[in-house]
Amino acid sequence: DAKTTQPPSMDCAEGRAANLPCNHSTISGNEYVYWYRQIHSQGPQYIIHGLKNNETNEMASLIITEDRKSSTLILPHATLRDTAVYYCIVRVRAGNMLTFGGGTRLMVKP
Amino acid sequence: DGGITQSPKYLFRKEGQNVTLSCEQNLNHDAMYWYRQDPGQGLRLIYYSQIVNDFQKGDIAEGYSVSREKKESFPLTVTSAQKNPTAFYLCASSPRTGGSPDTQYFGPGTRLTVL
Repeated sequence: DAKTTQPPSMDCAEGRAANLPCNHSTISGNEYVYWYRQIHSQGPQYIIHGLKNNETNEMASLIITEDRKSSTLILPHATLRDTAVYYCIVRVRAGNMLTFGGGTRLMVKP
Repeated sequence: DGGITQSPKYLFRKEGQNVTLSCEQNLNHDAMYWYRQDPGQGLRLIYYSQIVNDFQKGDIAEGYSVSREKKESFPLTVTSAQKNPTAFYLCASSPRTGGSPDTQYFGPGTRLTVL
């Protein structure tokens, strides 16, 4: 699976959009981009995933660049409860193993 | 409620003792996984099972063992051979729909401390 690079930490004001970047320059054509988050001392929670097109669900939006070498997770109106570590993962269709890197620690401040 | 349960939430053991961590799911998922997380680090895969009575080693299987006798259950044994067993252990499961890579659903975790 392709390696990802994320900033170690970010701050965001409550009510503003949080934009979390992820670089995956070695991504292959059959690899999906997944985002999970982990609130302190809890299990990771699935957020969203995509292959080529931008995706949106009730939690977030995922913007994938045309060359697929990077993506951005957008939390449109961040709340204090969105404070967590956000993991960007790329993986192939076959096999279900997730490789978690260090992630981005998002701190939402009042 | 449907979901994944891990018990207990906190577990203390003496050095040299084997300990078994429980993971149960009622989501009818075929695949189950065990991960280990150390402070400030990401998750590392210990073992995974894609079907009953079958499992494979992950990246850090040494010192651990698993069984998959039932679809709902995937217990992990931390043996005395594991040199640094103190960690946060997470169990996950996923369906095997054959479509896009299946989303994994995680349990609440067990924090193991070896004294």
